[in-house]
Amino acid sequence: EDKVVQSPLSLVVHEGDTVTLNCSYEVTNFRSLLWYKQEKKAPTFLFMLTSSGIEKKSGRLSSILDKKELFSILNITATQTGDSAIYLCAVFQGAQKLVFGQGTRLTINP
Amino acid sequence: KAGVTQTPRYLIKTRGQQVTLSCSPISGHRSVSWYQQTPGQGLQFLFEYFSETQRNKGNFPGRFSGRQFSNSRSEMNVSTLELGDSALYLCASSSVQGENTEAFFGQGTRLTVV
Repeated sequence: EDKVVQSPLSLVVHEGDTVTLNCSYEVTNFRSLLWYKQEKKAPTFLFMLTSSGIEKKSGRLSSILDKKELFSILNITATQTGDSAIYLCAVFQGAQKLVFGQGTRLTINP
Repeated sequence: KAGVTQTPRYLIKTRGQQVTLSCSPISGHRSVSWYQQTPGQGLQFLFEYFSETQRNKGNFPGRFSGRQFSNSRSEMNVSTLELGDSALYLCASSSVQGENTEAFFGQGTRLTVV
């Protein structure tokens, strides 16, 4: 059965801390792995990863994929209260279907 | 470039009724997929359309159906609504270019069945 597993499910840190969110997957016909941030409604696209070992960066956020070990991590440095959200990892299966993990609820306390 | 547009944003229906949700993808995107999000089950795939053809369907009962028009706009229909159909319904728009497969979501339709 195709599955995407995220850990931890919940994380509470102080402003300024660095966090690492994990995503492992077992999905047939892998096409790409995507990270999203969801605050109130729509998931907002963060990164798309297709190749192993190539880090994607956007400001304080970065992500990397390991296709041999079937996992990805999302790093957030110098966290701010505005980073509080649910972070979703999803794998595109055959360009037709996204298989989502349960999400990590990140809370940043001031 | 406009994003993914879903209408309506909120709906309240009673059990047994039917509902139609609409999704307009990003201009140029031909793939539209639908997802149901609930607190207990997370985001679950409903179906995907490309060039007016359903290419993939998730594990949902036949009460859930959809279609796509020639301009790539898509509609999703749920008949004989049940309380358990209350959820956030999200539409995603994709443009597949080689290995690059990204998906962008609309704001969603919050359906409440009473």
